[in-house]
Amino acid sequence: NAGVTQTPKFRVLKTGQSMTLLCAQDMNHEYMYWYRQDPGMGLRLIHYSVGEGTTAKGEVPDGYNVSRLKKQNFLLGLESAAPSQTSVYFCASSWMGIGSNQPQHFGDGTRLSIL
Amino acid sequence: AQSVTQLGSHVSVSEGALVLLRCNYSSSVPPYLFWYVQYPNQGLQLLLKYTTGATLVKGINGFEAEFKKSETSFHLTKPSAHMSDAAEYFCAVSESGGSNYKLTFGKGTLLTVNP
Repeated sequence: NAGVTQTPKFRVLKTGQSMTLLCAQDMNHEYMYWYRQDPGMGLRLIHYSVGEGTTAKGEVPDGYNVSRLKKQNFLLGLESAAPSQTSVYFCASSWMGIGSNQPQHFGDGTRLSIL
Repeated sequence: AQSVTQLGSHVSVSEGALVLLRCNYSSSVPPYLFWYVQYPNQGLQLLLKYTTGATLVKGINGFEAEFKKSETSFHLTKPSAHMSDAAEYFCAVSESGGSNYKLTFGKGTLLTVNP
């Protein structure tokens, strides 16, 4: 059982380039999330999805776009990368629960550097 | 709005000593509370969670946490630290009821275990 799989694991971009991070989960979870983790900042929610075809903004959505065309996949896009987007990105998913009593399951992260 | 404060960004203990990691939360409704652990270069793994019922919650690897409503706290403890416990620990809160499926994380506490 793979759980939550993120690709790629590492990437280096130049300022202004674009890229897409892929998250796939095989647990049939309804909810999916993208976070960024920066030193001393904990995890901050970028965007999330409560079901196929839906997306919503989190705490720090600027500069990112997302899509959830299939239930198992959640894509995070950077249209024009900036050095401030250098971070570790985590995808997570969770089962449908009443008011979020279900834990989130995390991938191993994507380490992204913008030069 | 919900929030989490973890007291102490870095805690250092000796092997065999008590581990105490502090977490205080703010929530306008009864909270669901979680502790996650992150080992180097990995994603977050769930240690334990409190939703309803018994306020003392036992998790994996010998950790436990107690929900104290009057103190708005959910501190994580382990009686005897092991070298393998060295990691970063995150407390998180979500709000019960409604349609809020988001977790709010604390900024993390890095636990160092000295031989």
